Amino acid sequence: GAGVSQSPRYKVTKRGQDVALRCDPISGHVSLYWYRQALGQGPEFLTYFNYEAQQDKSGLPNDRFSAERPEGSISTLTIQRTEQRDSAMYRCASSLAGTNTGELFFGEGSRLTVL
Amino acid sequence: AQSVAQPEDQVNVAEGNPLTVKCTYSVSGNPYLFWYVQYPNRGLQFLLKYITGDNLVKGSYGFEAEFNKSQTSFHLKKPSALVSDSALYFCAVRDEGANFNKFYFGSGTKLNVKP
Repeated sequence: GAGVSQSPRYKVTKRGQDVALRCDPISGHVSLYWYRQALGQGPEFLTYFNYEAQQDKSGLPNDRFSAERPEGSISTLTIQRTEQRDSAMYRCASSLAGTNTGELFFGEGSRLTVL
Repeated sequence: AQSVAQPEDQVNVAEGNPLTVKCTYSVSGNPYLFWYVQYPNRGLQFLLKYITGDNLVKGSYGFEAEFNKSQTSFHLKKPSALVSDSALYFCAVRDEGANFNKFYFGSGTKLNVKP
């Protein structure tokens, strides 16, 4: 597609429910990233994929968070048993290849509110 | 670990005047530095990057940034501000080596351009 697409744009859920956030990267982009952005802060790294392989998940806060990219394109970030502290903007980004000179292309984000 | 700091939460400037948004960095190796802009309810958009070469980097929308190794700074500049430049600006540094996939973002600077 023309840009990185994320859905849903807004998600309100009750504490304890599971949520799945979807990211459709720019066509042909090899690398896909998930970031979390709290209000008034910059984005924080969660996890990173090269093709379908999850290369780095060191930023996932705990084992309630998981991500997959089974066919090397669309990715899903899943949060199980949500807690209020999970409320944030979740941002997906993609880039052409996993090099240290490339920039990220971000989607518009999924804002999660846990009541 | 890599990090960036944006010392100003907010910068106010009159339209037509030059603007500067400050960023300092801390890296253990070569700095790969980026600037992103975030408009309300939008994703982060890439503005420019410094990888190597000329210390003055030109980017989108008339913005430029000056890399200063001795001061470990990468300030964003524009000779003549527009009201439409009002947005949230993030400086970022990319890690290197095995962690090249990680970007570290500053906390952001809100730029207000008054007519």
